[in-house]
Amino acid sequence: SQQGEEDPQALSIQEGENATMNCSYKTSINNLQWYRQNSGRGLVHLILIRSNEREKHSGRLRVTLDTSKKSSSLLITASRAADTASYFCATVSGYSTLTFGKGTMLLVSP
Amino acid sequence: GAVVSQHPSRVICKSGTSVKIECRSLDFQATTMFWYRQFPKKSLMLMATSNEGSKATYEQGVEKDKFLINHASLTLSTLTVTSAHPEDSSFYICSARGDYNEKLFFGSGTQLSVL
Repeated sequence: SQQGEEDPQALSIQEGENATMNCSYKTSINNLQWYRQNSGRGLVHLILIRSNEREKHSGRLRVTLDTSKKSSSLLITASRAADTASYFCATVSGYSTLTFGKGTMLLVSP
Repeated sequence: GAVVSQHPSRVICKSGTSVKIECRSLDFQATTMFWYRQFPKKSLMLMATSNEGSKATYEQGVEKDKFLINHASLTLSTLTVTSAHPEDSSFYICSARGDYNEKLFFGSGTQLSVL
């Protein structure tokens, strides 16, 4: 069953702009992870944030987590055309498998 | 980071044939491997979880006799789509996780087209 729900479903921006994607989930989690998928390829892990963390940075990525609202956001700053991909959030409860959301398709135009 | 190799990347087959997809962890021991199916512009749907040396655990609605999973070693899991039909056409992705590793490492996926 789907746990994470990303929005927007699709996002189109210009290079240099920031891209923000949101993820909402339903049950309590141990951690939340963001993955990226280029078209026709496997997923690449981007960042993991634990339930006791509120914010995390990795390069141009910034992830926030609000467990009271059961939501997370992924911010990509100074976007590049190469950031064009689908982005998925995935939640982990206990030591169980990841449950993926439906993804946000990001298009960054030069 | 860890590398997971998935092969083949694309396969086209006739209806009724069986197709085997391999997933290998190249530089770590994968105690658990996962098989996903993905439809165009959709999320990943977990099909089954396989642990080395034991039977795979299938998600509800996934036919275990149709999608045979073997995790014979700590570095190799295979998914065999038996008697494939056009409705089995999809993008199949494997992922692997080592002990105490919360991240998943994904293969590059296999696009299966059944004619």
